[in-house]
Amino acid sequence: AQSVAQPEDQVNVAEGNPLTVKCTYSVSGNPYLFWYVQYPNRGLQFLLKYITGDNLVKGSYGFEAEFNKSQTSFHLKKPSALVSDSALYFCAVRDDKGGANNLFFGTGTRLTVIP
Amino acid sequence: AAGVIQSPRHLIKEKRETATLKCYPIPRHDTVYWYQQGPGQDPQFLISFYEKMQSDKGSIPDRFSAQQFSDYHSELNMSSLELGDSALYFCASSLAIDTQYFGPGTRLTVL
Repeated sequence: AQSVAQPEDQVNVAEGNPLTVKCTYSVSGNPYLFWYVQYPNRGLQFLLKYITGDNLVKGSYGFEAEFNKSQTSFHLKKPSALVSDSALYFCAVRDDKGGANNLFFGTGTRLTVIP
Repeated sequence: AAGVIQSPRHLIKEKRETATLKCYPIPRHDTVYWYQQGPGQDPQFLISFYEKMQSDKGSIPDRFSAQQFSDYHSELNMSSLELGDSALYFCASSLAIDTQYFGPGTRLTVL
């Protein structure tokens, strides 16, 4: 069975500082990992994904994430936070086994960037 | 670039009524997914369709049904609505098993 954990409900960071939003996962096979961002009253916007290859994945708006197989983690990072990055961030996973393509989401982390 | 379109954006219904939500996928996408996001919760997978056939089923109540039409749009039909059905309903589309792109959602309120 697949599952995703986002251990922090809330992350606060000062504008211009680096940010990290944590995610760990559990799957039976190989993971397909995703990060989505949700702004108030909006849908989920795709940020980046890891399928295979380089462990460091670069995505939209300057975000990147590092796949760590030994720690089963896929933390989202950005070198310099912007106030406009304040939003709800969801990590999601899909297993490459079993044929199901639906995503399993974490409970979300609310990022607040303080001016 | 074209995105996933959902209609209506907001819907208010009474208990025991029915509701139909529509989803228009990104052009050339052949797979549609429905998710339900309750207040303060993460999205939960309901059902998906690939090439007009149901492909996967999640935690969709028996009161709900869905289908994908020949033009690839999908409809989620919800009957005997309950207060607990109040949620944000997302549709996502993908090309086969590639990245899922989400629509803006339909906010359903059941009174």
